[in-house]
Amino acid sequence: AQSVAQPEDQVNVAEGNPLTVKCTYSVSGNPYLFWYVQYPNRGLQFLLKYITGDNLVKGSYGFEAEFNKSQTSFHLKKPSALVSDSALYFCAGLYTGGFKTIFGAGTRLFVKA
Amino acid sequence: DGGITQSPKYLFRKEGQNVTLSCEQNLNHDAMYWYRQDPGQGLRLIYYSQIVNDFQKGDIAEGYSVSREKKESFPLTVTSAQKNPTAFYLCATLPGGDLYGYTFGSGTRLTVV
Repeated sequence: AQSVAQPEDQVNVAEGNPLTVKCTYSVSGNPYLFWYVQYPNRGLQFLLKYITGDNLVKGSYGFEAEFNKSQTSFHLKKPSALVSDSALYFCAGLYTGGFKTIFGAGTRLFVKA
Repeated sequence: DGGITQSPKYLFRKEGQNVTLSCEQNLNHDAMYWYRQDPGQGLRLIYYSQIVNDFQKGDIAEGYSVSREKKESFPLTVTSAQKNPTAFYLCATLPGGDLYGYTFGSGTRLTVV
């Protein structure tokens, strides 16, 4: 079955340190992968996507993600975390031939000043 | 958020009552979606519609109903058959192609009292 997994419920980092939020996928075929961010009591906001091409994708607010086909991963990264990056992050996948997006369970990021 | 308006922001439902959540968009997007968000479970698809006057059940459609009489509008009714409706409900849209990522509304928090 197609699935997207976020193995960490919560990630804690200090402001100014690099951050990584992990995502793995299970798929037959080529996936289209997305990251979204959600602030409290708000809808999700699109951050970035991987469709094809360069494995390193750059997105909004200084975030980037690396597509790794051999490890079936699509980890979200940022070189220097900000307190304002604290939020809930969702990885999502849309599979070729599929008709709907599958979301991971979300990872809560806490950035401490 | 963006061109999607969800109302009301907070809604309280008594036992046995039907309630309707509104979703209106001015993005001219073809497809509209309803998701339910529960803590630790990510987003689960309730219903979606790719064109006017047509809609499809998602993974958790039981106890919910929708209509799509206009391109701009996709209301969700939570019926009394939905035994555990307390959740955060998100409406989302996609343009004609699925590769752009969703645009989400700001959500409606429904609570049973």
